[in-house]
Amino acid sequence: GAVVSQHPSRVICKSGTSVKIECRSLDFQATTMFWYRQFPKKSLMLMATSNEGSKATYEQGVEKDKFLINHASLTLSTLTVTSAHPEDSSFYICSATLSGLRYGYTFGSGTRLTVV
Amino acid sequence: GQQLNQSPQSMFIQEGEDVSMNCTSSSIFNTWLWYKQDPGEGPVLLIALYKAGELTSNGRLTAQFGITRKDSFLNISASIPSDVGIYFCAGQLGNNNDMRFGAGTRLTVKP
Repeated sequence: GAVVSQHPSRVICKSGTSVKIECRSLDFQATTMFWYRQFPKKSLMLMATSNEGSKATYEQGVEKDKFLINHASLTLSTLTVTSAHPEDSSFYICSATLSGLRYGYTFGSGTRLTVV
Repeated sequence: GQQLNQSPQSMFIQEGEDVSMNCTSSSIFNTWLWYKQDPGEGPVLLIALYKAGELTSNGRLTAQFGITRKDSFLNISASIPSDVGIYFCAGQLGNNNDMRFGAGTRLTVKP
């Protein structure tokens, strides 16, 4: 159980375009989802926390107008990178949890974004 | 926010050797977790620890939650080539709180 599906796994886009990444909890309802960013050979940096039906909470230094997060249902959260630039190229990973679930969080398989 | 210091940063070992890595924090956590990440994939949970002093095993992996709640270690015994990857510690305050990650330990196992 506790499977999180993230899509797409890889995306290449042109500068100035927007990219949407989806994170779905397949066999449980995720009350909270988290979005992380990971640079090569670096750790995971929390970008934002999203709770179903409410606005996401962004970490300091993360532009909320740049990284739009929507958590419209208990099984789906989306991250949209707007007006992407090459410096937005990175590995983005989501994780999800069910309230009260004890076993840490389940991660998606990540999305490799390359902005050219 | 809480800082997690994970060491060593990287390890190069021979197949069959034991491995030890640890994490320390300036703040206490209620849960410590250890994850493994393969290239191009999301982290996969290896062991979760919920009580200070708790020692938990998962096959060849053993992890402990420090008494002070500010540290944890992970041991891998008799390493094999498929142990290669990046190991992250993570601390969590509560069930719905976010996790904070260590910088990772990159493990290379030579056959």
